[in-house]
Amino acid sequence: EAQVTQNPRYLITVTGKKLTVTCSQNMNHEYMSWYRQDPGLGLRQIYYSMNVEVTDKGDVPEGYKVSRKEKRNFPLILESPSPNQTSLYFCASSPGAREPEAFFGQGTRLTVV
Amino acid sequence: GIQVEQSPPDLILQEGANSTLRCNFSDSVNNLQWFHQNPWGQLINLFYIPSGTKQNGRLSATTVATERYSLLYISSSQTTDSGVYFCAVAANTGFQKLVFGTGTRLLVSP
Repeated sequence: EAQVTQNPRYLITVTGKKLTVTCSQNMNHEYMSWYRQDPGLGLRQIYYSMNVEVTDKGDVPEGYKVSRKEKRNFPLILESPSPNQTSLYFCASSPGAREPEAFFGQGTRLTVV
Repeated sequence: GIQVEQSPPDLILQEGANSTLRCNFSDSVNNLQWFHQNPWGQLINLFYIPSGTKQNGRLSATTVATERYSLLYISSSQTTDSGVYFCAVAANTGFQKLVFGTGTRLLVSP
């Protein structure tokens, strides 16, 4: 089944403890992105990647890191999480510029205490 | 950057009723998608429709790109249609980023 898989689905962590949210797609898509969703602010892009080793900042990149060492994987790293990073996170992938339809993972609900 | 407005913000329907949701956008787009966010938070793809008309069961969508709006029609609504409906667009000059509207929250009561 074609899908975008995020893990974990739910995570409660403490301030300052490094964490990684994994994202994997099995559709051979070139583009991958991370978004966060917050009440009143909607969904906003954190980082995106147009191919392996090609990443760039979205609208809200502060406090996050990403890497794209393989085409299928695009992990989101929080080196020192803070409570303002409590949010619902989504990974997305799409084939590329000519076929921009995006497919989203199930979401990761992160709470930082 | 591109702006996306959705209306109405909230909608309450009796089961079986029909509804129309609207999405206005401020610039030319190469991507327009409709999503349904279910009560568990998952974003479900409904339509990829940068222009034209598509139908999928009780749902259909129309995008008039030259006039910069899209409509999502829900017919014979069911309680399982409840949730938030998002329109998201990507500008021709910013195709790597989807910009989401604020959503329409739909509640279908039995």
